[in-house]
Amino acid sequence: AQSVAQPEDQVNVAEGNPLTVKCTYSVSGNPYLFWYVQYPNRGLQFLLKYITGDNLVKGSYGFEAEFNKSQTSFHLKKPSALVSDSALYFCAVRVNSSASKIIFGSGTRLSIRP
Amino acid sequence: NAGVTQTPKFRVLKTGQSMTLLCAQDMNHEYMYWYRQDPGMGLRLIHYSVGEGTTAKGEVPDGYNVSRLKKQNFLLGLESAAPSQTSVYFCASRRVGGTPSYEQYFGPGTRLTVT
Repeated sequence: AQSVAQPEDQVNVAEGNPLTVKCTYSVSGNPYLFWYVQYPNRGLQFLLKYITGDNLVKGSYGFEAEFNKSQTSFHLKKPSALVSDSALYFCAVRVNSSASKIIFGSGTRLSIRP
Repeated sequence: NAGVTQTPKFRVLKTGQSMTLLCAQDMNHEYMYWYRQDPGMGLRLIHYSVGEGTTAKGEVPDGYNVSRLKKQNFLLGLESAAPSQTSVYFCASRRVGGTPSYEQYFGPGTRLTVT
């Protein structure tokens, strides 16, 4: 079965420090991978995606993600965290058997302390 | 350009009642989706549509029905609400092909409580 996993329910980081939010996936064929962010009482917002090309993908708000095929991972990173980055982050993957379906991980709550 | 809108924003139902959630998008997107969000479970796909007049089941379709009579609207129906359907419901849409591709645009959500 195709799936995406976020092994950490919560990640706590001090402001100014680098942050990583982990994501691993299991899909057949080439993966299409995404990160979304959700602020309180809001819908999800697209951050970035990997479809093909460079393994390091840059997105909105200074975030980037590294695609690692051998480890089937797509971790979200930022060199220097801001308090305003505190939110719920979702990793997602396209289901290759149905190009229109995208499934989401369980989410990781990122908390940045001043 | 309003993007994706959802009606209503909040609703409380009694067990057994029915209701319809409306999603509308003004971006001329072909694909539309309904998800539910529950604590610790992320977003789960209920139903989706790849075009006007077509719908398909997602991961958790039981207890829900959908219709897409117009390209810009996607309706989610609960025929007989159950407490297990208490959740926050999100609608999303995306275009097919072109740029950007695969990026989903989400509505603000509908918080539904079934007592």
